[in-house]
Amino acid sequence: ETGVTQSPTHLIKTRGQQVTLRCSSQSGHNTVSWYQQALGQGPQFIFQYYREEENGRGNFPPRFSGLQFPNYSSELNVNALELDDSALYLCASSSGGALTYNEQFFGPGTRLTVL
Amino acid sequence: DQQVKQNSPSLSVQEGRISILNCDYTNSMFDYFLWYKKYPAEGPTFLISISSIKDKNEDGRFTVFLNKSAKHLSLHIVPSQPGDSAVYFCAASARNYGQNFVFGPGTRLSVLP
Repeated sequence: ETGVTQSPTHLIKTRGQQVTLRCSSQSGHNTVSWYQQALGQGPQFIFQYYREEENGRGNFPPRFSGLQFPNYSSELNVNALELDDSALYLCASSSGGALTYNEQFFGPGTRLTVL
Repeated sequence: DQQVKQNSPSLSVQEGRISILNCDYTNSMFDYFLWYKKYPAEGPTFLISISSIKDKNEDGRFTVFLNKSAKHLSLHIVPSQPGDSAVYFCAASARNYGQNFVFGPGTRLSVLP
């Protein structure tokens, strides 16, 4: 059974650029959640995708967007990068979708640095 | 406004002794709580959870206690081992949040040999 994988591992961008981060969910999981973890803080929920549809969103602006594909892998896109977007971006996969509390399995994260 | 707080950024404990990590929350709608452990360069790993209908859940060396009236939960690790050294995150959710978990800032536990 393959765990959650994320790519790339590290990324450096400049202000105003756009970035796409990728996540492959664990086999059998149909739900993907994205979190932003700033230095010294806990992960903050960005949004969740269940069966290819957005299924909940945290307090992040619209320049944070996402996609989920038929194989349940997912992308996080961030437009017009700002310095404060520098963080570790975590993807977590689970099964069940909304109104269930199934365990979330996290990937190792993508470290984004915005200069 | 932090809905989930972990007021101790770090904790050091001697190997074999008990580690107690604390977590407080403000949202009375939270009804499900989890603890995650995170090693450097890895994603958080689920440790143990508790539903608000219980006040205790035990799994091997790990026990989570929930005090709903105080909006407080704690994670006990007995006995502590050097491999337990990691950052521990408390997370909470509410039924209408789906699988959106609100995480605390974490506590770095160091277990000294």
